[in-house]
Amino acid sequence: GQQLNQSPQSMFIQEGEDVSMNCTSSSIFNTWLWYKQEPGEGPVLLIALYKAGELTSNGRLTAQFGITRKDSFLNISASIPSDVGIYFCAGFDLFMIKAAGNKLTFGGGTRVLVKP
Amino acid sequence: NAGVTQTPKFQVLKTGQSMTLQCAQDMNHEYMSWYRQDPGMGLRLIHYSVGAGITDQGEVPNGYNVSRSTTEDFPLRLLSAAPSQTSVYFCASSYRLRSGANVLTFGAGSRLTVL
Repeated sequence: GQQLNQSPQSMFIQEGEDVSMNCTSSSIFNTWLWYKQEPGEGPVLLIALYKAGELTSNGRLTAQFGITRKDSFLNISASIPSDVGIYFCAGFDLFMIKAAGNKLTFGGGTRVLVKP
Repeated sequence: NAGVTQTPKFQVLKTGQSMTLQCAQDMNHEYMSWYRQDPGMGLRLIHYSVGAGITDQGEVPNGYNVSRSTTEDFPLRLLSAAPSQTSVYFCASSYRLRSGANVLTFGAGSRLTVL
């Protein structure tokens, strides 16, 4: 089945710095989604990407749909303490409509922590 | 709008006990699903439903049952709990993007411990 590799698995941020994370797939997607999960809560959608090369921002967050359609990137600029949480990528392709009831494939998550 | 509501928030069971995790959504979404989240494993799909009366298995369905008698509700049943089912469970409902992808709205989660 399809797999999404998300990296890094965890990272420490210092207030004010820019950080990035990425997801790579073994197959092509036509939609990429990025979610953030805060402690004790469910994931919340941050950004949705629809086509190769697309670059979309949501405040200090910027995500890109890779040209090969097999990867996506999320950047956080000027980190602040409330950026901590787990960030998940999720991918979808048209094959999934018939094969799996439109389900998304999720990456393993990137845990963002604050440097002590 | 309450969104997706899950109950209970926390539950402790003994091996062999049964229980039902409740999930309700008020957004009139057709698609609903259950995921479990385990450390280092991300989110794994247990069961999903594309509409009332229709359910299907996800990646890890063993040990779980679901039903969808109404658009709003999608309960998850554990018939005989096992320690391997200790996890955090998320219910989600979704609308569909123009690309065909479902954009999931998640509940706050139910933390289940099986002793």
